[in-house]
Amino acid sequence: AQTVTQSQPEMSVQEAETVTLSCTYDTSENNYYLFWYKQPPSRQMILVIRQEAYKQQNATENRFSVNFQKAAKSFSLKISDSQLGDTAMYFCAFMKRNNAGNMLTFGGGTRLMVKP
Amino acid sequence: DAMVIQNPRYQVTQFGKPVTLSCSQTLNHNVMYWYQQKSSQAPKLLFHYYDKDFNNEADTPDNFQSRRPNTSFCFLDIRSPGLGDAAMYLCATSRDGGLSYEQYFGPGTRLTVT
Repeated sequence: AQTVTQSQPEMSVQEAETVTLSCTYDTSENNYYLFWYKQPPSRQMILVIRQEAYKQQNATENRFSVNFQKAAKSFSLKISDSQLGDTAMYFCAFMKRNNAGNMLTFGGGTRLMVKP
Repeated sequence: DAMVIQNPRYQVTQFGKPVTLSCSQTLNHNVMYWYQQKSSQAPKLLFHYYDKDFNNEADTPDNFQSRRPNTSFCFLDIRSPGLGDAAMYLCATSRDGGLSYEQYFGPGTRLTVT
């Protein structure tokens, strides 16, 4: 079974600064996918960024980038130029595809507050 | 826009009174999931449908049931809600195969049990 650990329950950052959210996972699989989801207060969960384990290049989506260290089983999220709208709960998630669907294993979440 | 829709957004039910939550999708995804999310916690998978095949998680209480009458709709039935079932219930969808495999979430239904 896979486990996902987010060691920072809460974090804060000043607007326009950079923040990094940590995520580690444990798996014996070689082919898998990793995601960061964002859940703003009282709003729905949306995908921020995804990374395929077979790709060495770190994924980037505008101000969001990841540092994927496969050997260390680490998958951190960097948010550059933080904006007030980035305030949300962030969940790191692991996925192993199989014939019965694509099940996600979530970490416990990191609550990020962006301060003006 | 293609999306995942959940109704109602807020549901209040009495202890022991059956309740049904609804999810629909316009994404034409073949997999649909139901999660329970309690305050400040990660979503917990209850079960999912892969096409018409129902897959129950081992630790999902028997009190929770699901129906998927067609590709677009999926229902979560709680037969006898207890106070501990108060939570946000999230529906998600994904397509198995192809380039898009991540899960798309609905806005959730917040269930209150009185």
